[in-house]
Amino acid sequence: AQSVTQLDSHVSVSEGTPVLLRCNYSSSYSPSLFWYVQHPNKGLQLLLKYTSAATLVKGINGFEAEFKKSETSFHLTKPSAHMSDAAEYFCVVSDASGTYKYIFGTGTRLKVLA
Amino acid sequence: DAMVIQNPRYQVTQFGKPVTLSCSQTLNHNVMYWYQQKSSQAPKLLFHYYDKDFNNEADTPDNFQSRRPNTSFCFLDIRSPGLGDAAMYLCATSRDIPLAETWRTQYFGPGTRLLVL
Repeated sequence: AQSVTQLDSHVSVSEGTPVLLRCNYSSSYSPSLFWYVQHPNKGLQLLLKYTSAATLVKGINGFEAEFKKSETSFHLTKPSAHMSDAAEYFCVVSDASGTYKYIFGTGTRLKVLA
Repeated sequence: DAMVIQNPRYQVTQFGKPVTLSCSQTLNHNVMYWYQQKSSQAPKLLFHYYDKDFNNEADTPDNFQSRRPNTSFCFLDIRSPGLGDAAMYLCATSRDIPLAETWRTQYFGPGTRLLVL
């Protein structure tokens, strides 16, 4: 069975400092992993994805994530936070079992302080 | 640009009055999903279509129905909305072509926020 755990429900950083949002997963199959961002009253925007190619994935807006199979982790990072990064972030896993389903983490709310 | 479109963005309905939310896509994706998202929660899958095949989640209430008349459009019908159905409803699509760039990637619409009075 698949599962996703986002280790922090809230993260606060100062503008210009690094961002780390943590995600651990469990999957019986070769997983695909995604990070989505959601601003208030908006849909989900894809930040980046891992689908068994390079383990270090670069996404939009300066975000990147590293797939670490030994640690079953897919943490999201950004070197320097911007005020516009304040939003809800979801880590999502999908496996190759053919169910076409996606398991969402509970989300991490990122707050960026001026 | 290819995209997922949801109309309306905000919908107000009365308790017990049927309501339909719509989703269209120009991505030519074969899989379409409906999610319900309540405040400060992750999206919850209601059902999905793989081509014309409808797949209901076991815990989706009977009050929720869906139609997919063609590849581009999908509708969510709430037969008798209750106060607990007030939420953001998200439509998403994906394309099941292995090894394609977009394989297994979901693309979301902007959502429809439903208010039940």
